[in-house]
Amino acid sequence: IAGITQAPTSQILAAGRRMTLRCTQDMRHNAMYWYRQDLGLGLRLIHYSNTAGTTGKGEVPDGYSVSRANTDDFPLTLASAVPSQTSVYFCASSDSAYNSPLHFGNGTRLTVT
Amino acid sequence: GENVEQHPSTLSVQEGDSAVIKCTYSDSASNYFPWYKQELGKRPQLIIDIRSNVGEKKDQRIAVTLNKTAKHFSLHITETQPEDSAVYFCAAKPYAAGNKLTFGGGTRVLVKP
Repeated sequence: IAGITQAPTSQILAAGRRMTLRCTQDMRHNAMYWYRQDLGLGLRLIHYSNTAGTTGKGEVPDGYSVSRANTDDFPLTLASAVPSQTSVYFCASSDSAYNSPLHFGNGTRLTVT
Repeated sequence: GENVEQHPSTLSVQEGDSAVIKCTYSDSASNYFPWYKQELGKRPQLIIDIRSNVGEKKDQRIAVTLNKTAKHFSLHITETQPEDSAVYFCAAKPYAAGNKLTFGGGTRVLVKP
């Protein structure tokens, strides 16, 4: 089934540890995004990529990094996790980088202790 | 940058009644306004969107209205059913922002049978 796959589904992580959240899409979408979802704050954009080889900062990029080596994969790395990064992380993709519907993955629930 | 406020944060309605969710945005250059529905434990999914050259759009029991002068837009759900129970997110985006949406904080809708 075409779509976006995120891994892991959930993770408990000790503060200070490094963690990479994986995201893969098979829709050949050009643009990909990482959002975090926190109660009452909606979905906030962390980083995005309009096309393979390019990335950009979103609303809350500090403490996170991304790479886009190819069209399908868009991993999100927390270099040194802190408790405030406890959240649900959603990867999304869209066909184009302008006014195009977002297709979300199932999310990764991350708890930093 | 864009700022989107969404009200109410929770909404309880009797099955068959209507539900209205309101959002305001700050950037007068915003021209794309999608709505996403997130069922419990699931991914957000686009249910309807409207562009700034249109004042109203309908799709079966849901409709969205846009008032550019007042910088607000609303989601209307008529004849609510139990499967409408979910969290709804509005979003806005200026054209120059590519596909980088700014989301509201979400509205939890509960339809009571």
